[in-house]
Amino acid sequence: QQQVKQSPQSLIVQKGGISIINCAYENTAFDYFPWYQQFPGKGPALLIAIRPDVSEKKEGRFTISFNKSAKQFSLHIMDSQPGDSATYFCAARGNTGNQFYFGTGTSLTVIP
Amino acid sequence: EADIYQTPRYLVIGTGKKITLECSQTMGHDKMYWYQQDPGMELHLIHYSYGVNSTEKGDLSSESTVSRIRTEHFPLTLESARPSHTSQYLCASSEATAEAFFGQGTRLTVV
Repeated sequence: QQQVKQSPQSLIVQKGGISIINCAYENTAFDYFPWYQQFPGKGPALLIAIRPDVSEKKEGRFTISFNKSAKQFSLHIMDSQPGDSATYFCAARGNTGNQFYFGTGTSLTVIP
Repeated sequence: EADIYQTPRYLVIGTGKKITLECSQTMGHDKMYWYQQDPGMELHLIHYSYGVNSTEKGDLSSESTVSRIRTEHFPLTLESARPSHTSQYLCASSEATAEAFFGQGTRLTVV
């Protein structure tokens, strides 16, 4: 059973555009929601993270929007650049802190 | 940059061989994880550890075993490798209330 559902599976955006990736979860015990960026041949690297008591977090061009009542959260990449082309994973951590559940990943391609 | 290291980065090995994938972290994190990731696919948790002498199986069934004798070290062993074990294996660690940091991964090919 997929604990975290992520969409779209792939995304193509023009340089300068906005990339939006969505995730949804069911387990209200999740208490931490990180996003990871993974380049080919590398391990995932933390990009930005949010806790459920906050509705939005922004770091540079990256913003997480969090809707606790809808149990949804999304990553927005403003002014998308070719260097942002990578696979993005959303994740959720149970409140025991013992497991991270990952979405299925979104392959982002930013066209120059 | 996170201080978590995996060796080897790439491994090609014959069927039936015993292999150990190494993972070490210098951050003093209690929690460590092994994930399996097929190309372009999601990460599946196969093992995790709360601390020394504590290991648990993850959601994805795996024929591998792990040990945690020291805080910094969390090796994964396959007693008899098979082609179905071909995959990328990612090790990660975290503090109790923070995000997981990942190693570079080991890409295993069993021929």
